[in-house]
Amino acid sequence: DVVMTQSPLSLPVTLGQPASISCRSSQSLVHSDENTYLNWFQQRPGQSPRRLIYKVSKRDSGVPDRFSGSGSGTDFTLKISRVEAEDVGDYYCMQGTHWPYTFGQGTKLEIK
Amino acid sequence: EVQLVETGGGLIQPGGSLRLSCAASEFTVSSNYMSWVRQAPGKGLEWVSVIYSGGTTYYTDSVKGRFTISRDNSKNTLYLQMDSLRAEDTAVYYCASGGYWGQGALVTVSS
Repeated sequence: DVVMTQSPLSLPVTLGQPASISCRSSQSLVHSDENTYLNWFQQRPGQSPRRLIYKVSKRDSGVPDRFSGSGSGTDFTLKISRVEAEDVGDYYCMQGTHWPYTFGQGTKLEIK
Repeated sequence: EVQLVETGGGLIQPGGSLRLSCAASEFTVSSNYMSWVRQAPGKGLEWVSVIYSGGTTYYTDSVKGRFTISRDNSKNTLYLQMDSLRAEDTAVYYCASGGYWGQGALVTVSS
């Protein structure tokens, strides 16, 4: 199985400051169709996961543009340009290239 | 507005069976790849099973031979039949397709 490794696992951030989460996969996430199926999910306390980013850098509808995704191959990053109070929660990267699809361990974002 | 609504969760004894349903509205189950993802209490997310529009299915190793994913196109509903349940299957089970996720159904396996 593809192992997804996130860092950091805990991310205290001051309101208005940027934040960054790294995600590394144990093998390339480039699919045979040449797409890279790397997604980012946000899970606020007590809520279902919400997809923020798909195919590395495409934002889902309704996702604020302060969220951005980048990377290629095995190294990926989620960036929040200015953290707001509503961004508190757990963030997961997830690969959909190789079955079984796998998630990272999660990164808990909190406000300092 | 797209909605995925899971039902069928509950408390079940080890070795028992349960069937989860996911009713979709403003969304066609048969035209999309549909998945079940679970989250054990206080833990991370785990992909359980997927069914593609063409009918191909996949299961994570820990549920192979025990869980069956299916859909009823006439009811626009996705199912997860769970047999031989174990304590480690205790989790909230989410129905998901791409950016659309349900609210989850809690399955508790305990005597």
